[in-house]
Amino acid sequence: SAVISQKPSRDICQRGTSLTIQCQVDSQVTMMFWYRQQPGQSLTLIATANQGSEATYESGFVIDKFPISRPNLTFSTLTVSNMSPEDSSIYLCSVRDQNQPQHFGDGTRLSIL
Amino acid sequence: QKEVEQNSGPLSVPEGAIASLNCTYSDRGSQSFFWYRQYSGKSPELIMFIYSNGDKEDGRFTAQLNKASQYVSLLIRDSQPSDSATYLCAVNSMKTSYDKVIFGPGTSLSVIP
Repeated sequence: SAVISQKPSRDICQRGTSLTIQCQVDSQVTMMFWYRQQPGQSLTLIATANQGSEATYESGFVIDKFPISRPNLTFSTLTVSNMSPEDSSIYLCSVRDQNQPQHFGDGTRLSIL
Repeated sequence: QKEVEQNSGPLSVPEGAIASLNCTYSDRGSQSFFWYRQYSGKSPELIMFIYSNGDKEDGRFTAQLNKASQYVSLLIRDSQPSDSATYLCAVNSMKTSYDKVIFGPGTSLSVIP
């Protein structure tokens, strides 16, 4: 399976600031996703990152809060904007190639003070 | 009804026993079913996937699928303390125009030495 590198692995941020998380894959993949996992909870899909076009957001998530880029088939970024303590979570990049199961990066552990 | 449901646990089994993890899903159109293992502080790791009714075995793991009952299970034979983790059931959803994977809440498994 593809090797997925996610940066940063963790960060502590001040409320009101923004953080951009990067996801780099060692091979071209069809689909890239961003998930959030709040403490003690399961995974919630934020959006599907589409190459060359706007991401497809799930209910409850909006582009102004979570802008996503995907300039090519191996790279995507997720920005968490105007952060509040409620945004403290693990953010996970996931990739899937055609007819293959999804795999996850190591995640970004984000704490907001 | 939630899209993917699992018993939250914790499920405790003695070392060497069979652990049985269950999952039900609501979308009759779902075609792909996955089991992920997540250790505390780590990202989810794919351990099994199944597409057809019946059983699929891989080492100590067996996935069972019954589409008519909308039920998928994971059996872990000869359970080891290293199997202690949260197990996430995931199902692809065909309710949107694109193929996305929905995760259940997870079942916490504890294997007692």
